[in-house]
Amino acid sequence: EIVLTQSPATLSLSPGERATLSCRASQSVSSYLAWYQQKPGQAPRLLIYDASNRATGIPARFSGSGSGTDFTLTISSLEPEDFAVYYCQQRSNWRITFGGGTKVEIK
Amino acid sequence: EVQLLESGGGLVQPGGSLRLSCAASGFTFSSYAMSWVRQAPGKGLEWVSAISGSGGSTYYADSVKGRFTISRDNSKNTLYLQMNSLRAEDTAVYYCAKDWASGYSSSWYNYWGQGTLVTVSS
Repeated sequence: EIVLTQSPATLSLSPGERATLSCRASQSVSSYLAWYQQKPGQAPRLLIYDASNRATGIPARFSGSGSGTDFTLTISSLEPEDFAVYYCQQRSNWRITFGGGTKVEIK
Repeated sequence: EVQLLESGGGLVQPGGSLRLSCAASGFTFSSYAMSWVRQAPGKGLEWVSAISGSGGSTYYADSVKGRFTISRDNSKNTLYLQMNSLRAEDTAVYYCAKDWASGYSSSWYNYWGQGTLVTVSS
């Protein structure tokens, strides 16, 4: 099973600041990585798929990069609605796993 | 508008069974793979199972293999998860999720239901 390790666990930032979230895979997943946003009491929302493609309706301030084992989700300028938990997910050979999540909180 | 509505959750004793349903609307159900993803209280996401659009292929996490069965009825636009031999560690909100891609399984989920809570406790 491929383990996804997200860091940091918590990111304390102010609106307008840049957020950089990391996801590291225990072995290569090529570009088969997605990012989701989840707010309290809500289902997850797909942000990025195939490492760098924004899903439909996702604002341009969200961007994804990386391949192999190291991936990054960047939020260029935090809006109030962006404070949430973010998960990465890989899809290797039907052994689908999620990372433990990064909480982006208001500083 | 895509809608996914789960039902069937509740309180069940260890060793018991439960069947979850997910009623889908707003898209051509048979063209999309579907999955179940769960989230234990206060914890992260865990993929549980997936099924192809035709229903001919199914996949399971090791943690539920042999105990859970995923199925679908494309004539009723409904996804199911039969859960047997339930354990305390199966306690979670169970989400059904629609695959992003039509015609094949991308395993990226662009629509999710609101979730149904399953509690396994004596």
